[in-house]
Amino acid sequence: DIQMTQSPSSLSASVGDRVTITCRASQGVRNDLGWYQQKPGKAPKRLIYGASSLQSGVPSRFSGSGSGTEFTLTISSLQPEDFATYYCLQHSSYPYTFGQGTKLEIK
Amino acid sequence: QVQLVESGGGVVQPGRSLRLSCAASGFTFSSFGMHWVRQAPGKGLEWVAVISYDGTTKYYEDSVKGRFTISRDNSKNTLYLQMNSLRPEDTAVYYCTSEADGDYWGQGTLVTVSS
Repeated sequence: DIQMTQSPSSLSASVGDRVTITCRASQGVRNDLGWYQQKPGKAPKRLIYGASSLQSGVPSRFSGSGSGTEFTLTISSLQPEDFATYYCLQHSSYPYTFGQGTKLEIK
Repeated sequence: QVQLVESGGGVVQPGRSLRLSCAASGFTFSSFGMHWVRQAPGKGLEWVAVISYDGTTKYYEDSVKGRFTISRDNSKNTLYLQMNSLRPEDTAVYYCTSEADGDYWGQGTLVTVSS
C-alpha cells in the first residue's frame, strides 16, 4: 500500500500569510493526487485535482504542485475562511490513501 | 443538481451487521464509479471501498476486507455498504462520494459500534 506522509500536522498562521503543506508518497503516484479542505462537521471539499489543477469554483489563492512522490499545496494569502483541516489523497493505486491531515489554525 | 444522501447509520453492538445506503440524483449514476470514505471521531479521513460503474470491480481497504461489501443498484441509483462483524474501531462517519465530473460527497451517516 502507498503511504502518504503529510506535514506539518498542524500550522498556526495569520490572515494574509502564505502557507505551504507537503505530502510525500512512499512510492510514485504520478500526478494522481488531490487536495481536500474539511471544516468541522462538514464533508471534505476538493480544492486541487491532478496535483495542480484547480477545482472549479475554488479561489485562485490555492495552488498545487508536484509529481511522483512530492507534492505541495500553497495558499498564497490566507483568508479567514481558509482555517480548516487539509488532506492529500493519492488515487494512483488501490487502496487509495489519505495523508494524516494538516490543521490550519489562526495565530 | 447532484445529490448524495446517505442513510442507515446508527448504534450497533460489536459483531453485528449494518447496511448503509447512498441515494444518488442529478447525474447518470450508472456511468460512474462510487466510493465510501469514513472518518472516526476526531480523526482523519480513511478511504474504505470503491465499486466500478457496472458493479463488476470492487476494491477494499485492508482492515475491512472480508467484512464489508460494497454494491450498487443502478436501477435504483443507490450505492450500498454491507458491514458485517463490526468492531468498535469501525465507529465513524461514513461518506459516499462519486467519480462523476466535479466533486460530490454526501453529508455522511454516523455508525457507532458499542456494547
